[in-house]
Amino acid sequence: QSALTQPPSASGSPGQSVTISCTGTSSDIGAYNYVSWYQQHPGTAPKLIIYEVTKRPSGVPDRFSGSKSGNTASLTVSGLQAEDEADYYCSSYAGSTNVIFGGGTKLTVL
Amino acid sequence: QVQLVESGGGVVQPGRSLRLSCAASGFTFNNYGMHWVRQAPGKGLEWVAVISKDGTTKNYADSMKGRFTISRDDSKDTLYLQMNSLRGEDTAVYYCARGGSWSGDPWGQGTLVIVSS
Repeated sequence: QSALTQPPSASGSPGQSVTISCTGTSSDIGAYNYVSWYQQHPGTAPKLIIYEVTKRPSGVPDRFSGSKSGNTASLTVSGLQAEDEADYYCSSYAGSTNVIFGGGTKLTVL
Repeated sequence: QVQLVESGGGVVQPGRSLRLSCAASGFTFNNYGMHWVRQAPGKGLEWVAVISKDGTTKNYADSMKGRFTISRDDSKDTLYLQMNSLRGEDTAVYYCARGGSWSGDPWGQGTLVIVSS
C-alpha cells in the first residue's frame, strides 16, 4: 500500500487556524471512516488527537477538529498556540487489517 | 493509568534476529488489539503489524511479511515482535500502541533498534 499524502509543512500565527490535508484513495480514506490524526513533539511518542475522522479522545482540546471529503481527510487546528508546534500524522484503515500512515506534516507556529 | 513500556531494542548485525517486548498495565490487556509502529531516524511513522485481542488475527506491512512475527501473552500482559533477517532499513524506534477503531492510543515510549555491522 502507498502512504497517504500530506504536505510536508504548514504554518500559522498564534490565534489563527490552519488546516492540514491527508489524501488517500477509494481503498482507504474513501472507503472507511477510520481516519486518525497524531501529534508528535520532538523526542516523544505520538499522541492520538483525532479518531474515526471527527472524534476527539478525552483531554484533547476542541481546537483540534477533523473532517473528510471523498478520499481526503483534514485536520484543523483553531486558535493556534505555541505548544501546537509539532509533527502531525494521519492514518487510515486500508482494509484486510492493514493500516497506512501519511508522511507527516511539520506545523510551525510563527 | 494506562501504560505501555517497550524493551528489547539494541544494536544487531544484519541478518540476525531480535525480539521486542511491550509490557502493558492499567487496562485489561486481553480486551484490546495491539499494534507495532516504527519510525526510522528523522522519518515518518510506518505501521508494522497488528494482532487481534484474542490473538487469532495478525497482519503485517508488506515489507515485513515473512520476517516479523507479532504475538501476545495475555498471562503476562505482554506484546511481542519477533524480528528475523534484519536489514539496515529496519533501523528505527519501534512503538507499541493499544488498538481501537484502527487507531493507537496510547503509545509506549519506544525502543530503538539499530541494524549495523
